Amino acid sequence: GAVVSQHPSWVICKSGTSVKIECRSLDFQATTMFWYRQFPKQSLMLMATSNEGSKATYEQGVEKDKFLINHASLTLSTLTVTSAHPEDSSFYICSARRGLETQYFGPGTRLLVL
Amino acid sequence: GENVEQHPSTLSVQEGDSAVIKCTYSDSASNYFPWYKQELGKRPQLIIDIRSNVGEKKDQRIAVTLNKTAKHFSLHITETQPEDSAVYFCAARKAGGGADGLTFGKGTHLIIQP
Repeated sequence: GAVVSQHPSWVICKSGTSVKIECRSLDFQATTMFWYRQFPKQSLMLMATSNEGSKATYEQGVEKDKFLINHASLTLSTLTVTSAHPEDSSFYICSARRGLETQYFGPGTRLLVL
Repeated sequence: GENVEQHPSTLSVQEGDSAVIKCTYSDSASNYFPWYKQELGKRPQLIIDIRSNVGEKKDQRIAVTLNKTAKHFSLHITETQPEDSAVYFCAARKAGGGADGLTFGKGTHLIIQP
């Protein structure tokens, strides 16, 4: 149990376009999901906390108008990178919290903005 | 906010020897400390976690110790095997509020020499 999926696994887009990434908990309900960003050979940086039915809480320095998060159901959270630019190219990983604390990660989405 | 320091950044040990990775955290209110293993291009996998009401936890070849007073926790891997080679991340859970994602250390690249 505790499987988290992400779609797409990779995406290439032109500068200025928007990209939506989906995160799903497949076998459990997750009232809270998290979005992280990881640069090559670096650690995971928390971007925002996504709570089902309410607004996401963003970490300091993360632009909420650029990284739109929607957590419409107990098994789905989406991250939309709006007006993407090359500096947004990165590995985006979501996690879903099962129970009070344990987080299970999705496989990640590699975004390349040309 | 929380700050997690992790050392060393790279650790090379002979197969069969033990490996120890150390982390310190800054927020005394943090109460949950997981360790993740990430292989190249893959998602982080939870390998062990510890809560602040426990000083030590063991799972086969893996153990974690926590010193709340000193605000540090360590991962111990005994009888290392080639498949233990990966990047290991420690993390601390921020306390309270609507944002309670994990703050990660910078990671330790563990290399098991045959």
